[in-house]
Amino acid sequence: ELKVEQNPLFLSMQEGKNYTIYCNYSTTSDRLYWYRQDPGKSLESLFVLLSNGAVKQEGRLMASLDTKARLSTLHITAAVHDLSATYFCAVPSGTYKYIFGTGTRLKVLA
Amino acid sequence: KAGVTQTPRYLIKTRGQQVTLSCSPISGHRSVSWYQQTPGQGLQFLFEYFSETQRNKGNFPGRFSGRQFSNSRSEMNVSTLELGDSALYLCASSLPGEDTQYFGPGTRLTVL
Repeated sequence: ELKVEQNPLFLSMQEGKNYTIYCNYSTTSDRLYWYRQDPGKSLESLFVLLSNGAVKQEGRLMASLDTKARLSTLHITAAVHDLSATYFCAVPSGTYKYIFGTGTRLKVLA
Repeated sequence: KAGVTQTPRYLIKTRGQQVTLSCSPISGHRSVSWYQQTPGQGLQFLFEYFSETQRNKGNFPGRFSGRQFSNSRSEMNVSTLELGDSALYLCASSLPGEDTQYFGPGTRLTVL
């Protein structure tokens, strides 16, 4: 059974600092998705990574996928308060089914 | 372009009752997935529908059921509610052949 783990679960960081969130998964997949969830809100799609070595960037966020290591990273550059949210990765399990990671709650301190 | 809508947004029920939640996908989206989100278990996949057919389901008891209509709108039903069914229920829609899922605002169900 596919398991998706994220670390850290909680991350408190200063504005302007860099940090990386890790997403590990237990079975082979060549696709991975990143979402953001603000408190009390729904999920917003951030990145769709569709192949080994895929890298996507949007503003201060950059995501990458290493299918051989079964690892994706979400790198935050020069964090700002607006990035405070919970970030989830998700991996397809079979067809039409997705397994979500545990989520990483990020708090950016001024 | 309107997003995914879910009704109702909030719901309070008592144990043993049943509940029906509704999801209207983005126009043109034919795939609808349902998820349960709780602080303890996180986001868990319930089921996915396409063209009125359930194509996959998660590991939930038979009390959880769903359906999809010809206009792609979907409903999920939970019978004989338990306290542990209290959660945020999210639906997501996507275009055929596309990977991006668009999530609705969710229905927060509280079971007393």
